[in-house]
Amino acid sequence: DVKVTQSSRYLVKRTGEKVFLECVQDMDHENMFWYRQDPGLGLRLIYFSYDVKMKEKGDIPEGYSVSREKKERFSLILESASTNQTSMYLCASRLPDTSGGNQPQHFGDGTRLSIL
Amino acid sequence: QKEVEQNSGPLSVPEGAIASLNCTYSDRGSQSFFWYRQYSGKSPELIMFIYSNGDKEDGRFTAQLNKASQYVSLLIRDSQPSDSATYLCAVNNFEYGNKLVFGAGTILRVKS
Repeated sequence: DVKVTQSSRYLVKRTGEKVFLECVQDMDHENMFWYRQDPGLGLRLIYFSYDVKMKEKGDIPEGYSVSREKKERFSLILESASTNQTSMYLCASRLPDTSGGNQPQHFGDGTRLSIL
Repeated sequence: QKEVEQNSGPLSVPEGAIASLNCTYSDRGSQSFFWYRQYSGKSPELIMFIYSNGDKEDGRFTAQLNKASQYVSLLIRDSQPSDSATYLCAVNNFEYGNKLVFGAGTILRVKS
């Protein structure tokens, strides 16, 4: 079974702090993703990475950055946390898609982040 | 803008009934379709995926895809209270960088 591990289930930080969310997968997946999930808005893609040292912006990258120095680890960074970044953050990984695009994403347990 | 639409619900069905969850998508180039189940406070877990027109069955679950109508559905037979959750439809578009676009989810409640 795929195991995607997020470093914290719950996190409370203050506005202006630099926040690091860590994600590790154990299946040698090339692709990794960071989403945030808010009530009524569903999952929104923040950043993704096709492979080590590669990163691409998703739909809502403002206020975030990422790091992928090793294949198994994908970090999300909130440069200066703000209250509107209070949310559930979900990390996912998958094998590279074939032309059929049928590789599923596997999610970690999520980090519920509160910015005070 | 790639869009995936789901009725937010809640959809309430009695135990033992068939629950039918629907999803429409806007981009005709979409190629793969996924259903995830998410319990309250938990992360999404994959139930099924489908990429060919027609039906695909896995136990009590059947995914149905109609690319001409841009419509995908999930049927849950013999619904159980443990099926109560939010069901997320996700669509993959190879030309959209292989990214998934998620619907906002349908809340299903199975009443015993």
